Amino acid sequence: NAGVTQTPKFQVLKTGQSMTLQCAQDMNHNSMYWYRQDPGMGLRLIYYSASEGTTDKGEVPNGYNVSRLNKREFSLRLESAAPSQTSVYFCASSETGPWFARRGENEKLFFGSGTQLSVL
Amino acid sequence: AQSVTQLDSQVPVFEEAPVELRCNYSSSVSVYLFWYVQYPNQGLQLLLKYLSGSTLVKGINGFEAEFNKSQTSFHLRKPSVHISDTAEYFCAVSGAAGRRALTFGSGTRLQVQP
Repeated sequence: NAGVTQTPKFQVLKTGQSMTLQCAQDMNHNSMYWYRQDPGMGLRLIYYSASEGTTDKGEVPNGYNVSRLNKREFSLRLESAAPSQTSVYFCASSETGPWFARRGENEKLFFGSGTQLSVL
Repeated sequence: AQSVTQLDSQVPVFEEAPVELRCNYSSSVSVYLFWYVQYPNQGLQLLLKYLSGSTLVKGINGFEAEFNKSQTSFHLRKPSVHISDTAEYFCAVSGAAGRRALTFGSGTRLQVQP
């Protein structure tokens, strides 16, 4: 029962390099999310995908792109890494979308274990 | 827009003592409220949630929280903590209608000492 799997767990980049963070879930969830976690700021939503084939910007999308490859996979790409993107990145998924239409619905995010990214 | 304020960045407490982690929110609409816990080197896990009904919500590991609409608060409590409760705790809010992604607070680190 893997849940949400993120790779890699650690990454060090030089300014200007590019990389893709991979995320996969095996719970048949419709929605997937990318968050970044910075000290003293909690989690901030970068991008989300409410369903296969759709993606939308979250709170801090600048400098990132995403791809919802299929229902299972949601990748986050840094085209030209900057030191300000040093952070811990979490992928998450949920059965329902970021908007919950019915009261009492099972509203719950399942998180991966995170990717610690350092940009020098 | 909605926001969450966790008033304490760190809370040290001795084992078997009670603890309260404070959370206040602001929103122009009705809300759903959540507490998530993050153990070291792990992702977040849902601890409990308030959607509607009774304002006292019980979660996993003996935690509970009370929704207070007039004070816009959703404080987390446990009557007797264990060493294993050492973790970071995040309060989160989402609007109860329409398009509403979760907004997280900045987190409170609970440090349980023997």
